[in-house]
Amino acid sequence: DTAVSQTPKYLVTQMGNDKSIKCEQNLGHDTMYWYKQDSKKFLKIMFSYNNKELIINETVPNRFSPKSPDKAHLNLHINSLELGDSAVYFCASSLAGGGDTQYFGPGTRLTVL
Amino acid sequence: SQQGEEDPQALSIQEGENATMNCSYKTSINNLQWYRQNSGRGLVHLILIRSNEREKHSGRLRVTLDTSKKSSSLLITASRAADTASYFCATVEKGSNYKLTFGKGTLLTVNP
Repeated sequence: DTAVSQTPKYLVTQMGNDKSIKCEQNLGHDTMYWYKQDSKKFLKIMFSYNNKELIINETVPNRFSPKSPDKAHLNLHINSLELGDSAVYFCASSLAGGGDTQYFGPGTRLTVL
Repeated sequence: SQQGEEDPQALSIQEGENATMNCSYKTSINNLQWYRQNSGRGLVHLILIRSNEREKHSGRLRVTLDTSKKSSSLLITASRAADTASYFCATVEKGSNYKLTFGKGTLLTVNP
């Protein structure tokens, strides 16, 4: 009965590879987010979708492409992985926007070698 | 750009003591939220305070907001070892309905 789930929990891959991280929420929320947390624990928003529509895209390289097949899912695909992409990626959801409380997934630790 | 700045960056106290963390921000906000992150885990929402509120309580947590000084504080009373975590403030800027901007966080260690 996990509210926001992500898979995989850990991802280790070589530079240049393409990988995907999946996120699902069972809270019935309309809005979903992707955040990146770097090694200094700084958390920065990457994307936000509301009812499958992209509403925030924070100057993220276009190697990162989010996809929302329905409002319960927001996946993140990363092409041509670079060393600097190593981080923990968090998915989150909220009921609507307007600064609602956000519910976070457990995170995916991506390590690019 | 970064909005919230927490102070101190790290805080170490004994069980039973109170812990106070501060957050400053730069722009006008709709609300300010505090989150906790245990090591290796996701963030957990603690409390949300709207721009027209000055103080809010939730259990052992007390949050204040001073919009004239663009600052907020989180007080944890009677701390426990289980309170050991990183604490982040996050703001929703006026006019930005969906974007939550996080500070760098305060690492709180509560020693048994």
